[in-house]
Amino acid sequence: AQSVSQHNHHVILSEAASLELGCNYSYGGTVNLFWYVQYPGQHLQLLLKYFSGDPLVKGIKGFEAEFIKSKFSFNLRKPSVQWSDTAEYFCAALRNKLVFGAGTILRVKS
Amino acid sequence: DVKVTQSSRYLVKRTGEKVFLECVQDMDHENMFWYRQDPGLGLRLIYFSYDVKMKEKGDIPEGYSVSREKKERFSLILESASTNQTSMYLCASSESSGRAYNEQFFGPGTRLTVL
Repeated sequence: AQSVSQHNHHVILSEAASLELGCNYSYGGTVNLFWYVQYPGQHLQLLLKYFSGDPLVKGIKGFEAEFIKSKFSFNLRKPSVQWSDTAEYFCAALRNKLVFGAGTILRVKS
Repeated sequence: DVKVTQSSRYLVKRTGEKVFLECVQDMDHENMFWYRQDPGLGLRLIYFSYDVKMKEKGDIPEGYSVSREKKERFSLILESASTNQTSMYLCASSESSGRAYNEQFFGPGTRLTVL
């Protein structure tokens, strides 16, 4: 069965720290990959996506993610987090259907 | 801007009640989806629809049904609500899966509590 694993459920960082959230998916072949973010009290919104081409994808608010096919990974990164990045982050993989990871709650301390 | 709206942000129902959750999208999307979101479990697909009057089961369809009579509206029905259906319910829509660009757009969610 298709599955997506996110390595950490809770992450706490200080402002200006670097962020990397791990994501692995379980199946080979062509797959589209997404990171969604849910800010407190807001609806889920797309942060970035990968369909093909350059494996380093840049999204909104300074986030980027790197697709490493050999590792079945699509990790999310940001060089310097802000308090406003406090949110829950979901990795998702689309093949026949969109499958979400369990989510990572990020808290940034000011 | 794509807009997906859900009929209620918060809903409290009693065990055994029939519950309707409504979702409307305004971008003429072919695909619509219902998920439930639970802490530590992420989003799990309940049902989806690729066209009017079409429906497909997702990963956790038990205890739920859906209705899609019009393209813009997708309803989730809990025939007899139970306490284990207390959750956040998210509706989403996307363009046809035949296109490369098939980002899903989400509504604000309905937090359902079943007492």
